[in-house]
Amino acid sequence: DVKVTQSSRYLVKRTGEKVFLECVQDMDHENMFWYRQDPGLGLRLIYFSYDVKMKEKGDIPEGYSVSREKKERFSLILESASTNQTSMYLCASTLPGQKNTGELFFGEGSRLTVL
Amino acid sequence: AQSVTQLGSHVSVSEGALVLLRCNYSSSVPPYLFWYVQYPNQGLQLLLKYTTGATLVKGINGFEAEFKKSETSFHLTKPSAHMSDAAEYFCAVSAPGTYKYIFGTGTRLKVLA
Repeated sequence: DVKVTQSSRYLVKRTGEKVFLECVQDMDHENMFWYRQDPGLGLRLIYFSYDVKMKEKGDIPEGYSVSREKKERFSLILESASTNQTSMYLCASTLPGQKNTGELFFGEGSRLTVL
Repeated sequence: AQSVTQLGSHVSVSEGALVLLRCNYSSSVPPYLFWYVQYPNQGLQLLLKYTTGATLVKGINGFEAEFKKSETSFHLTKPSAHMSDAAEYFCAVSAPGTYKYIFGTGTRLKVLA
């Protein structure tokens, strides 16, 4: 079974703090994603990575950055957390291109509260 | 451009009744279509998907969905609801070969005893 692991399930941070959300997958997937989930808004793509050190902005990248130093690990960084970044963050991975059956494999989520 | 509309943010059904969750999409290319389920405090897991071929797709836990191109719909059904089906359901669309997945806003299903 594919396993996508988000190391922190619940975090509470203060405004202005730097926040790291870590995601690791064990299936050698090239593509990895960070989504933000808010009630009534569904899932919105923050960043996407299709290879090590490669990244692309999603629909809502402002206030976020990412790091992909190793294929299995994709980190989301909030340089200076703000209260409007209080949300559920979901990491996902999948195969690319012609091998892509299209299914996204999700982690269990990281619920971040910024005070 | 692609988009997904889920009609009804909350749906309640009685245990044993038919479950019908609606999803309409727009896409300029033949889409891949998905239904995901999210149980409380968990990530999303795939229920079923349509890529090509048979338009009636069967998934896990007794769910199925039918791709209707003429109606641009991909509604999710289950003949008989179970208490364990209470969850949030998301419809999603992607364009084959792309990384872009567009999710609907979700439908929370409540099952009444």
